[in-house]
Amino acid sequence: EDQVTQSPEALRLQEGESSSLNCSYTVSGLRGLFWYRQDPGKGPEFLFTLYSAGEEKEKERLKATLTKKESFLHITAPKPEDSATYLCAVRGNYGGATNKLIFGTGTLLAVQP
Amino acid sequence: SQTIHQWPATLVQPVGSPLSLECTVEGTSNPNLYWYRQAAGRGLQLLFYSVGIGQISSEVPQNLSASRPQDRQFILSSKKLLLSDSGFYLCAVQYGYATLNDSPLHFGNGTRLTVT
Repeated sequence: EDQVTQSPEALRLQEGESSSLNCSYTVSGLRGLFWYRQDPGKGPEFLFTLYSAGEEKEKERLKATLTKKESFLHITAPKPEDSATYLCAVRGNYGGATNKLIFGTGTLLAVQP
Repeated sequence: SQTIHQWPATLVQPVGSPLSLECTVEGTSNPNLYWYRQAAGRGLQLLFYSVGIGQISSEVPQNLSASRPQDRQFILSSKKLLLSDSGFYLCAVQYGYATLNDSPLHFGNGTRLTVT
């Protein structure tokens, strides 16, 4: 059964203190790994897609990397506005016409000024 | 540009009452549509998805149903709500013309449902 595990569940950083969030996954035939940001009371906002091991994507202070078993979301010199829940999701080969995503439970990031 | 509308934003309903949540999409044709539910402390759970008008696939047996009466309209319904139906309901859209494609899902801002 496909599974996504995110760690830590919660992370508190000081402004400017860099760190990484982890997403470990088990999936049958990876068709993509996705990172989202979710603010309280809002829907998830798409950040990155990674398709193959070794791939990297960057956006402002965020950088996502992918291996065959896990993905990391690196946050460099975070600011308070980076505070949010970060969700990881995978898409595998499920047969039929489904492109569904399997989500982890997220990492709640708080960046203090 | 592409926009996802979900309403209402919040809803409080008594146990046993009916439910209808609506999602409409602008700026695209023939999208793949999804209903997810997010419970406190849990990941997003896929409830239904649709690849076309009238085509609904259910992921989890439950008290809910879905319909797609128009290309860009997706409705989540229940005849009688249970306490366990409380949660944050999210509509998601996958753009692109291929039935199978690897593009991301884009989410609306959800409906917070509380069943009392």
